[in-house]
Amino acid sequence: EDQVTQSPEALRLQEGESSSLNCSYTVSGLRGLFWYRQDPGKGPEFLFTLYSAGEEKEKERLKATLTKKESFLHITAPKPEDSATYLCAVQARLGTGNQFYFGTGTSLTVIP
Amino acid sequence: DAGVIQSPRHEVTEMGQEVTLRCKPISGHDYLFWYRQTMMRGLELLIYFNNNVPIDDSGMPEDRFSAKMPNASFSTLKIQPSEPRDSAVYFCASSLYPGSPEYWGGASYMKTEAFFGQGTRLTVV
Repeated sequence: EDQVTQSPEALRLQEGESSSLNCSYTVSGLRGLFWYRQDPGKGPEFLFTLYSAGEEKEKERLKATLTKKESFLHITAPKPEDSATYLCAVQARLGTGNQFYFGTGTSLTVIP
Repeated sequence: DAGVIQSPRHEVTEMGQEVTLRCKPISGHDYLFWYRQTMMRGLELLIYFNNNVPIDDSGMPEDRFSAKMPNASFSTLKIQPSEPRDSAVYFCASSLYPGSPEYWGGASYMKTEAFFGQGTRLTVV
């Protein structure tokens, strides 16, 4: 069964304290792994797409990496404005179409 | 482009009433997705369309739920009759068909990330 699991469920960091969020997946026909940020009361906001193992992408204090079984979202020297829920999604081949599977997210709180 | 537009932003209705949620995808996107988000279950895919045709509705909870996409710029999700357990935030998202490659770092990639609307918060009392 296709599955996406994120850990930890919640993470509290002091401002400047770097850490990583994990997304492990078991899907067949992977077409891409996506990271989204979701603020309260808003829709998920796209951050990164990773397509193949070994790939890395960076944006400001965020860096996403991908292996054959999991992805990490590294947060370097976080600031309070990085507080949000971070969602991982995997796009898999489903017949001739696509299927998105979302994890339940990691709620990040950065304390000043 | 204004992004994916959903309406209404909030809906409060009584049990048994019909509810219709609306979505306008990003122009040119071939895929449209309806998701439901709750604290307990996170984001659940309900149904998705490709070129206005429903492809997979296996996530639709029961026959009370129906979705249509009469044209490329409009979709509806209807719940009739609504029940308190339907209370959730409903998101619409759209994406490009994966057959449209983009290029990054000298290699081609299928730009297929989904872009989400702001959601409709439904409360059924």
